[in-house]
Amino acid sequence: GQQVMQIPQYQHVQEGEDFTTYCNSSTTLSNIQWYKQRPGGHPVFLIQLVKSGEVKKQKRLTFQFGEAKKNSSLHITATQTTDVGTYFCAAFISNFGNEKLTFGTGTRLTIIP
Amino acid sequence: GAVVSQHPSRVICKSGTSVKIECRSLDFQATTMFWYRQFPKQSLMLMATSNEGSKATYEQGVEKDKFLINHASLTLSTLTVTSAHPEDSSFYICSVSETSGAGAKNIQYFGAGTRLSVL
Repeated sequence: GQQVMQIPQYQHVQEGEDFTTYCNSSTTLSNIQWYKQRPGGHPVFLIQLVKSGEVKKQKRLTFQFGEAKKNSSLHITATQTTDVGTYFCAAFISNFGNEKLTFGTGTRLTIIP
Repeated sequence: GAVVSQHPSRVICKSGTSVKIECRSLDFQATTMFWYRQFPKQSLMLMATSNEGSKATYEQGVEKDKFLINHASLTLSTLTVTSAHPEDSSFYICSVSETSGAGAKNIQYFGAGTRLSVL
């Protein structure tokens, strides 16, 4: 079953409002990656977090890795129409001894202009 | 990052036909490529890991005889959906992974994807 959960599943915000998506795992993660998929497009790598409590920023995007390395968040300040898309977290999780990149359930962001 | 080309971008076919999808790594020699499937409004599910010069590794529940993978060179992997049926309609995406430095895991670079519609 899905081992990396994201909430919310959908988020509709007014342009200019902030947006946050949360990623949670039942197991401790070695690192977390975030990807963005525009409607009709393919996932594009955004960032990778490795250290406990790590915070990284990319312009209006702030990524955080939890102290216990079981959760992560992506916060967008003052959303713009270009932020539309589905945001996935992803982590390497061991399954029967093999480590595989497992994607979260995703959060679909729509912007009301 | 790595540049990945996937072709075709869209296929519409009749039930029972086979469809081949190509994934090329344009600037990177990829000994390993990955094939994902994504149903509408859902997450990406890894189908198989394509290994250059050897058999692909399939995920649990993925039929290897249904989804044939060939990785004959360091720049090309193909996925053939054999005897396609409407339930195989989906978005198929390939990727290559690239190392990202000490302590970090590989980053995935995706092709543009192939939208398969089986009538």
